[in-house]
Amino acid sequence: DAMVIQNPRYQVTQFGKPVTLSCSQTLNHNVMYWYQQKSSQAPKLLFHYYDKDFNNEADTPDNFQSRRPNTSFCFLDIRSPGLGDAAMYLCATSTRRGAGETQYFGPGTRLLVL
Amino acid sequence: AQKITQTQPGMFVQEKEAVTLDCTYDTSDPSYGLFWYKQPSSGEMIFLIYQGSYDQQNATEGRYSLNFQKARKSANLVISASQLGDSAMYFCAMRNPGANSKLTFGKGITLSVRP
Repeated sequence: DAMVIQNPRYQVTQFGKPVTLSCSQTLNHNVMYWYQQKSSQAPKLLFHYYDKDFNNEADTPDNFQSRRPNTSFCFLDIRSPGLGDAAMYLCATSTRRGAGETQYFGPGTRLLVL
Repeated sequence: AQKITQTQPGMFVQEKEAVTLDCTYDTSDPSYGLFWYKQPSSGEMIFLIYQGSYDQQNATEGRYSLNFQKARKSANLVISASQLGDSAMYFCAMRNPGANSKLTFGKGITLSVRP
């Protein structure tokens, strides 16, 4: 089945220690998104790639970076995680950008910062 | 600016009954898409149903239907024949056209299905 895969499902890191979260997709979608979701809140878009074109949200901290080496993979790098970065990180994909384009989400990675 | 409003407190429904989850939206774009997602405690965001602003018919997907009232700017989700597995958080979301057409989410509604 075509799907969005995230690894790992749970990640524990230390305060200030860089961490990388992984997302892969078999849907061959052009667009890949990274969201941060804190407890009992709605997901918040961090950035997205349209093919190789990176689009950062204005309020995304510099501590968060992303890489998309090919169509299938996208990585979220947190350079120096703080306690406030503990959250669920959701990857999503869509065929294109547009009002009618559905985003399909992966299972998420829960990040714990000690 | 786009805005999604979900104001219901936690909702409870008896198994096998129908339930309506409310969603109102605000946008100045004539073209937009409305989406409902389900998020169980495992965390995965599961796409349920989509309604386009120009669609004449209300969207339906199995037990899910969307009561789309454009003049009132509401897009309520109706779940028929509730099952225990429907217990989850439900998010209403909207997307507008444009290069940066981000998905704007509401705050979500918690639904609990009682046996």
